[in-house]
Amino acid sequence: EAGVVQSPRYKIIEKKQPVAFWCNPISGHNTLYWYRQNLGQGPELLIRYENEEAVDDSQLPKDRFSAERLKGVDSTLKIQPAELGDSAVYLCASSLGSRGYEQYFGPGTRLTVT
Amino acid sequence: GENVEQHPSTLSVQEGDSAVIKCTYSDSASNYFPWYKQELGKRPQLIIDIRSNVGEKKDQRIAVTLNKTAKHFSLHITETQPEDSAVYFCAAKGYSTLTFGKGTMLLVSP
Repeated sequence: EAGVVQSPRYKIIEKKQPVAFWCNPISGHNTLYWYRQNLGQGPELLIRYENEEAVDDSQLPKDRFSAERLKGVDSTLKIQPAELGDSAVYLCASSLGSRGYEQYFGPGTRLTVT
Repeated sequence: GENVEQHPSTLSVQEGDSAVIKCTYSDSASNYFPWYKQELGKRPQLIIDIRSNVGEKKDQRIAVTLNKTAKHFSLHITETQPEDSAVYFCAAKGYSTLTFGKGTMLLVSP
């Protein structure tokens, strides 16, 4: 079974530039999560999707972050414009459902904003 | 919301020793408690989990215990090996959101 796929793996941009991350979840997993992991910290949830619906985006900084999950499969997370404090690893995860199901993580995208 | 505290932040042991990592949570509605292992530069990987209707679960050298009354759970690794060296995260989940602890860096010396 293929795992969660993310791209790119690394991204270096200048502040104020836009950036986008892509995630393909495990086949059949209807719940998709985007997390941000700062250095030395645990992952923090940004947004959770149930199929194509964003059901928890309370931690997403909506002034600069946006996300979409068209057709309930792949998802894209965008930052525009990026700030220095956005440097982190952005992790995508998926699960069969949201109630007590195991979450499987992708390899992440390491973003560096200069 | 849920708050998960994890201790210690770093743990150094000799190969063959046991390692214990402890976590506490605040939301009594949390009912799922996974543990993830993250090696440097790699994705968090689920190593074991426990649900609130179970007090203990074991998988080879790894075990997890849960005390719902005290709202704490622990990871136990026996006969540690150098390849166990990594950052370990505990997490707690209520209705839908998984909240992670800050992680424990485990160093196993040969």
